[in-house]
Amino acid sequence: DAGITQSPRHKVTETGTPVTLRCHQTENHRYMYWYRQDPGHGLRLIHYSYGVKDTDKGEVSDGYSVSRSKTEDFLLTLESATSSQTSVYFCATQQGRGSGYNEQFFGPGTRLTVL
Amino acid sequence: SQQGEEDPQALSIQEGENATMNCSYKTSINNLQWYRQNSGRGLVHLILIRSNEREKHSGRLRVTLDTSKKSSSLLITASRAADTASYFCATPGTSYGKLTFGQGTILTVHP
Repeated sequence: DAGITQSPRHKVTETGTPVTLRCHQTENHRYMYWYRQDPGHGLRLIHYSYGVKDTDKGEVSDGYSVSRSKTEDFLLTLESATSSQTSVYFCATQQGRGSGYNEQFFGPGTRLTVL
Repeated sequence: SQQGEEDPQALSIQEGENATMNCSYKTSINNLQWYRQNSGRGLVHLILIRSNEREKHSGRLRVTLDTSKKSSSLLITASRAADTASYFCATPGTSYGKLTFGQGTILTVHP
């Protein structure tokens, strides 16, 4: 699994509370991504990072923020959790860009329930 | 919006049979990837096919790409119960290695 861990693996929280999910990688991959997976929608990109302190929005970024202060860690924060953010969240990494670097490696996922 | 769309949404077969899944996409691409997801796990990369390739093999997997029809297919030959999983196609986004995933095909292989 390319040394990608996510924490926590499961979390139940209440509407309005802030939540931070952590992705940690040991592969020194430059690119990191946060996806959410919901029935009927497949995987959708929330935010991504193309280097330390370099991040940008993905397809479904509203209500989420990210930070990457070092290569190995990529944090996803739900500033005020809503029930619509109940989902399974996956972190992924990619070594680089260009030919030979297209494969993404995924973490085991975090199941988040917002009550 | 989804770039890739898989068909069928679900497929149920017996062990030993072949399984074929299709992916259609909307815009020009320079490569297309297939991933597998076992229940409760993260996605695992299976194979990448480039736009200048029409067919690619990896073990029991055969992937085809038809850029004129904007479609790809994944064939799993001699399927096994362990092949039971969801299969996703993914196409490149505009930059930074971003991928757009389809909704996936759920494959069930009965022993």
